[in-house]
Amino acid sequence: QKEVEQNSGPLSVPEGAIASLNCTYSDRGSQSFFWYRQYSGKSPELIMFIYSNGDKEDGRFTAQLNKASQYVSLLIRDSQPSDSATYLCAGTSGTYKYIFGTGTRLKVLA
Amino acid sequence: NAGVTQTPKFQVLKTGQSMTLQCAQDMNHNSMYWYRQDPGMGLRLIYYSASEGTTDKGEVPNGYNVSRLNKREFSLRLESAAPSQTSVYFCASSVQHSYNEQFFGPGTRLTVL
Repeated sequence: QKEVEQNSGPLSVPEGAIASLNCTYSDRGSQSFFWYRQYSGKSPELIMFIYSNGDKEDGRFTAQLNKASQYVSLLIRDSQPSDSATYLCAGTSGTYKYIFGTGTRLKVLA
Repeated sequence: NAGVTQTPKFQVLKTGQSMTLQCAQDMNHNSMYWYRQDPGMGLRLIYYSASEGTTDKGEVPNGYNVSRLNKREFSLRLESAAPSQTSVYFCASSVQHSYNEQFFGPGTRLTVL
């Protein structure tokens, strides 16, 4: 079992809809979580990070963390075709551990 | 600011050849990382350097060596390349180790024949 799990997708949503991306983790010691966006052939770039239980909003993006259930999610409101990319969830714990999930491919249909 | 730079962008090697991937950052970050990304496997940490003068193994260190040349530069060396090392390699840096955002370089696409 990977320490950070994501559904590989693709997740297809129509333009203007809410895209919901989910991530579960196995290490209860994980403290910080990050969502990166990666366009095809490009490097990952940070969208959001979250440390505390609850929701964190930034523009069209909302990150949600539930430590009791060990899941993290990313909501993208008013999805645009330019949001089509692979979204990587990463969690940190311990000394070096910055563990990435395999990513979820999102397709926003115009 | 260039951020994180990597050279080369593309490289083709024959089995058994050696090469060094170069990485530099101009953000005065303390920590630097080398990842490889393979289809269906996500990003896997090869080696990291929490601070200048230290290096440690990550998840998949076999077949690689690293050097933290100074605070700016962190190189990855393949001593005897194998086809299993065909991958996209990303260098990243962060202000401090583990709990901060990582900034990624553009990647090196390596093919080993």
